[in-house]
Amino acid sequence: GAGVSQTPSNKVTEKGKYVELRCDPISGHTALYWYRQSLGQGPEFLIYFQGTGAADDSGLPNDRFFAVRPEGSVSTLKIQRTERGDSAVYLCASSLAGGGGAADTQYFGPGTRLTVL
Amino acid sequence: AQSVSQHNHHVILSEAASLELGCNYSYGGTVNLFWYVQYPGQHLQLLLKYFSGDPLVKGIKGFEAEFIKSKFSFNLRKPSVQWSDTAEYFCAVIPWGSSASKIIFGSGTRLSIRP
Repeated sequence: GAGVSQTPSNKVTEKGKYVELRCDPISGHTALYWYRQSLGQGPEFLIYFQGTGAADDSGLPNDRFFAVRPEGSVSTLKIQRTERGDSAVYLCASSLAGGGGAADTQYFGPGTRLTVL
Repeated sequence: AQSVSQHNHHVILSEAASLELGCNYSYGGTVNLFWYVQYPGQHLQLLLKYFSGDPLVKGIKGFEAEFIKSKFSFNLRKPSVQWSDTAEYFCAVIPWGSSASKIIFGSGTRLSIRP
């Protein structure tokens, strides 16, 4: 079956612009996660959706970052007024159930490499 | 704050050498523990996981990890590495709490295997 997919694979934008990053989770997975990975670092948690609602958005760095999952499947991470410091690989993951436990293994997508010039 | 420490940033080994990558976490409660691997040009893949039970966990490709609760450690081991094990390895923790799904990753260990 298909894994987690993310589009675009690469995005180059100018400082101050708005970008949208898309994540398509594994079919049937109710939980969806966004992480950000800067060069030389491990992924850092941004936000976690259970179904359509954001169960934990404590990792969003500021109010320029916003994510939605309106139908409980595809999710879009939105970044307003991009800054050079936003340059990173944005990873999406999904899991069957969320909430911890054996069903909560997260499967990662290939990521979107965002470069802000 | 909860954190995961990986002691080695870059490890270089020859083929057939034994491997041990260190991982320690700071959280006193119940945890789920993981090792993820990222091969060059590929996405993060789960190598092995610990949720409960036997603290010695076996994963794919001959890897294993041992959870030592008293030491807050979850070191990754492989008795004989291959050139194809060249990759970045991430230790990760899910601490049980208000959000029992937020993975906290270490900064990663880059493993280079000399053929």
